[in-house]
Amino acid sequence: EAQVTQNPRYLITVTGKKLTVTCSQNMNHEYMSWYRQDPGLGLRQIYYSMNVEVTDKGDVPEGYKVSRKEKRNFPLILESPSPNQTSLYFCASNRQGPNSPLHFGNGTRLTVT
Amino acid sequence: SQKIEQNSEALNIQEGKTATLTCNYTNYSPAYLQWYRQDPGRGPVFLLLIRENEKEKRKERLKVTFDTTLKQSLFHITASQPADSATYLCALDKGAAGNKLTFGGGTRVLVKP
Repeated sequence: EAQVTQNPRYLITVTGKKLTVTCSQNMNHEYMSWYRQDPGLGLRQIYYSMNVEVTDKGDVPEGYKVSRKEKRNFPLILESPSPNQTSLYFCASNRQGPNSPLHFGNGTRLTVT
Repeated sequence: SQKIEQNSEALNIQEGKTATLTCNYTNYSPAYLQWYRQDPGRGPVFLLLIRENEKEKRKERLKVTFDTTLKQSLFHITASQPADSATYLCALDKGAAGNKLTFGGGTRVLVKP
């Protein structure tokens, strides 16, 4: 089954404790991206990757890091989480090309206290 | 600045009626527009894509229109069913290379039996 898998689904952590949210896709998609979703603000892009070792900032990259060492994986790293990073995070992948629709994971709900 | 607006108020509709959602944008010249469905606790799921040179697109009971003069897209669900209850998101490309979709805040639809 074609899917984007994120882990964990729920995460509660404390300020400053480094964490990684994993994302993996099995569709051989070139593009992968991370979004956060907040009430009243909608989905906002954090980072995206057009291929292995190629990443770029989205609209809200501050406080996040990503890496794309393999085509299927695109982890999101929070080196020093802060409470304003409490949010619902989605990973997405799509084929190369401007019309290609996004395939989303089921989200990771992160709470930073 | 660029802006995408969807009605943030929930749309309550009787089963069998047509639900119509709007997506308005300013300071954009999108080449295409996408619509997604999002259920609680799940990632968005792609529904339809419409290009700037297309006036209308249909898929089963769904219809999307795209008016680049009015800077508006309308999303219709005909013969609505309780299973159509969800949040619907529109997304526009930013016209740049890469994964540059920008999402509206979504409109929640509740279909009552």
